[in-house]
Amino acid sequence: EVRLVESGGDLLKPGRSLRLSCRASGFTFADYAMTWFRQAPGKGLEWVGFIRTTLHGGTTEFAASLEDRFIISRDDSRNIAYLEMHSLKTEDTAVYYCSRDGGSGDYKFDYWGQGTLVTVSS
Amino acid sequence: DIQMTQSPSSLAASVGDRVAITCRASQGIRNDLGWYQQKPGKAPKRLIYTASNLQSGVPSRFSGSGSGTEFTLTISSLQPEDFATYYCLQHNNYPWTFGQGTKVEIK
Repeated sequence: EVRLVESGGDLLKPGRSLRLSCRASGFTFADYAMTWFRQAPGKGLEWVGFIRTTLHGGTTEFAASLEDRFIISRDDSRNIAYLEMHSLKTEDTAVYYCSRDGGSGDYKFDYWGQGTLVTVSS
Repeated sequence: DIQMTQSPSSLAASVGDRVAITCRASQGIRNDLGWYQQKPGKAPKRLIYTASNLQSGVPSRFSGSGSGTEFTLTISSLQPEDFATYYCLQHNNYPWTFGQGTKVEIK
């Protein structure tokens, strides 16, 4: 059974940093790019960024407004994808979801984690 | 960036009604689009991929159509469990972008 479990969400003050984890199981993690999305309270869904497979260089793409503060990495030996967030702002308050991306349409964002809540408030 | 204009933003319908939700892309995206259902407090669930392919396990009353710039999600006979918010997502060009969402409510 495919499972994605996010963790690391917290309540913190503006300017702080946080690292979220997405632990995967039930599939060959190394074969999948991993994507992060977020959803601010009462708002729609937003793409944050993704990391390619290590075979494809493990490079990343981000929403333009986030790429100077956010970093995505992966540990294929532990089946975990990470989202590091720096210089957090109140507008980063959201539920953060991870999803897998198998490249082709049928394996693109077919499974999502349950989400982890990040609250940034003074 | 590709803008996804989703309509309507909300609708009220009765059980058994046929419902259609559309997404229009600001430029052609081939069929690189998925449809997602989200219930309050839950993660999105994929219903349709590559515009018209039904996700395994999703009831056949859901269908998707379109290509290029115009896409439609149709629910042929609305059921009580279908009251939710629906989103389209294009993955043709970075940044990947969602429609604004359509909230389907009970009439």
